[in-house]
Amino acid sequence: DAKTTQPPSMDCAEGRAANLPCNHSTISGNEYVYWYRQIHSQGPQYIIHGLKNNETNEMASLIITEDRKSSTLILPHATLRDTAVYYCIVRSSGNTPLVFGKGTRLSVIA
Amino acid sequence: NAGVMQNPRHLVRRRGQEARLRCSPMKGHSHVYWYRQLPEEGLKFMVYLQKENIIDESGMPKERFSAEFPKEGPSILRIQQVVRGDSAAYFCASSPLDRGSYEQYFGPGTRLTVT
Repeated sequence: DAKTTQPPSMDCAEGRAANLPCNHSTISGNEYVYWYRQIHSQGPQYIIHGLKNNETNEMASLIITEDRKSSTLILPHATLRDTAVYYCIVRSSGNTPLVFGKGTRLSVIA
Repeated sequence: NAGVMQNPRHLVRRRGQEARLRCSPMKGHSHVYWYRQLPEEGLKFMVYLQKENIIDESGMPKERFSAEFPKEGPSILRIQQVVRGDSAAYFCASSPLDRGSYEQYFGPGTRLTVT
């Protein structure tokens, strides 16, 4: 079973920041937080991952709380093409399989 | 740098036939994962392979399903005697050998329809 909890759906206005929360209260010290998204029925797309520090790349920012029990994925300027299901995944280091939960269905509205 | 390639993109089989799904990982990637997504459900891990080795097949059904990743050529997911319940999207992902990077990159998937 997935070790994360996410809201089932969210709406965001186009051009605004989308903040997607994730709870992972049972995360252990060697586990990373990964975010993927799946646009319609395409293959999942890697977004970002982090261990304890905040991370930023060209797609998004990841904010992890100090106790590491929750995190937030931030899409700074959401566009219609960001409409997708977003998955927050907790995963230990190494080439372990990804365990997908139900994710958050983000709808970006014009 | 081409991404993960899967073929065919769509496959239709009648009950009892065999389905072969192919996955070519990204260049330089030596780890391959197969996932299945049943209609209206999330992705479920099936099997993890490295070249010529099955590392983890804990998500594979016990019967009719097999996977390989030969020294040369693509990884193959084989489903024998398909049934309607095998209808799903099958995704392959690859990741590099570099210990500093464990992101998995997914292919576009193969949509299997069993009639």
